[in-house]
Amino acid sequence: SQQGEEDPQALSIQEGENATMNCSYKTSINNLQWYRQNSGRGLVHLILIRSNEREKHSGRLRVTLDTSKKSSSLLITASRAADTASYFCATDAKGGGGNKLTFGTGTQLKVEL
Amino acid sequence: EAQVTQNPRYLITVTGKKLTVTCSQNMNHEYMSWYRQDPGLGLRQIYYSMNVEVTDKGDVPEGYKVSRKEKRNFPLILESPSPNQTSLYFCASSFGRGGEKLFFGSGTQLSVL
Repeated sequence: SQQGEEDPQALSIQEGENATMNCSYKTSINNLQWYRQNSGRGLVHLILIRSNEREKHSGRLRVTLDTSKKSSSLLITASRAADTASYFCATDAKGGGGNKLTFGTGTQLKVEL
Repeated sequence: EAQVTQNPRYLITVTGKKLTVTCSQNMNHEYMSWYRQDPGLGLRQIYYSMNVEVTDKGDVPEGYKVSRKEKRNFPLILESPSPNQTSLYFCASSFGRGGEKLFFGSGTQLSVL
């Protein structure tokens, strides 16, 4: 089963609105990351939050992590058409040897003008 | 410019015809990995390498081979491709462990007929 599962699967909003995506995972983690993918291209790293952190900001991005609920959220404020992409959470499982990230299936975000 | 370079971008082949997808990074990263992306399944790790001459299986290694003779290169080899290997492939690298921030190549879309 997927370690990280994003919710919703798809999200459509108007430019200027905020977009919130959620990620749930199953096992204890060292860190959780969010990546963006534009239309079948390579994934681009957005932000990394460690298990002992609760919130992190980067520009218009805000990530929260609740390890007791095994969940994270990504908030994109004041969205732009250029934010249209798929967003993936990825986890580095504790005790997993640090050999890989486990990715969810992603949220497709569409920002309309 | 720091980057991970994959070639080719698109590849159409026939069942059983050996092929190699190349991957090169210019960031002196120790860790490199291959993932495949399929609709509804997210990204799954095929193989990874922690350093030169050190490789190990990921979650879906069947039908693939890799080698790491030089630090910068990590080719993916399909010795006898089958249609179920039709997928979008990504090479990724990291300065430290595979659970840290990954840098991705642009992807190789492979179709096996």
